[in-house]
Amino acid sequence: QSALTQPASVSASPGQSITISCTGTSSDVGGSNHVSWYQQHPGKAPKFMIYDVSNRPSGVSDRFSGSKSGNTASLTISGLQAEDEAYYYCNSHTSTSTVMFGGGTKLTVL
Amino acid sequence: QVQLQESGPGLVKPSETLSLICTVSGVSISSYYWSWIRQPPGKGLEWIGYTFYSRNTVYNPSLKSRVTMSLDTSQNQFSLRLSSVTAADTAVYYCAREDGRWASNFQHWGQGTLVTVSS
Repeated sequence: QSALTQPASVSASPGQSITISCTGTSSDVGGSNHVSWYQQHPGKAPKFMIYDVSNRPSGVSDRFSGSKSGNTASLTISGLQAEDEAYYYCNSHTSTSTVMFGGGTKLTVL
Repeated sequence: QVQLQESGPGLVKPSETLSLICTVSGVSISSYYWSWIRQPPGKGLEWIGYTFYSRNTVYNPSLKSRVTMSLDTSQNQFSLRLSSVTAADTAVYYCAREDGRWASNFQHWGQGTLVTVSS
């Protein structure tokens, strides 16, 4: 199974907003309510940021939000802060009960 | 508080079998879905598989022929075996637990352990 498609990198200045896309097919993102997002700082384990497309786990800042349209899910980070600089990964449950990750997006805060 | 800790050899020879254990504290492994996920150096995350009390185990189709996951409830551990390894299996291996809502919501992660495949 191929990875979900994410942009390799995005960048913005502190205080701005960015959106990271995650594109799949009708067999995964498009057909699933179970899309989640993860933040990973270098050398660290990923952190659970968004689940079921648009829900935030307890303790995650409300600057992070998720959405989905068709086969593409999106993560939006508003009011960018320096500590948001990290890699971000999406994943989706699939129609065959497997799990697919996106290739990852490097966020640079200028 | 849920904690996961991976352990196992850091170096495995090509064609041999990689074996890792994830020791869980703070919750019984008889509940929840438990997963293995790996990350080759400098690359993205790859889901390996998940298991629920060994009753429902699903593997990544690209690895299915080489992977076995199992649970040891007496030790509160779960394990990964990956056979016939090559250099492409060199990665940081993470164990993870879902959030109680869905198997692919990986809420809890171990710190990861680097496994290098080399002779």
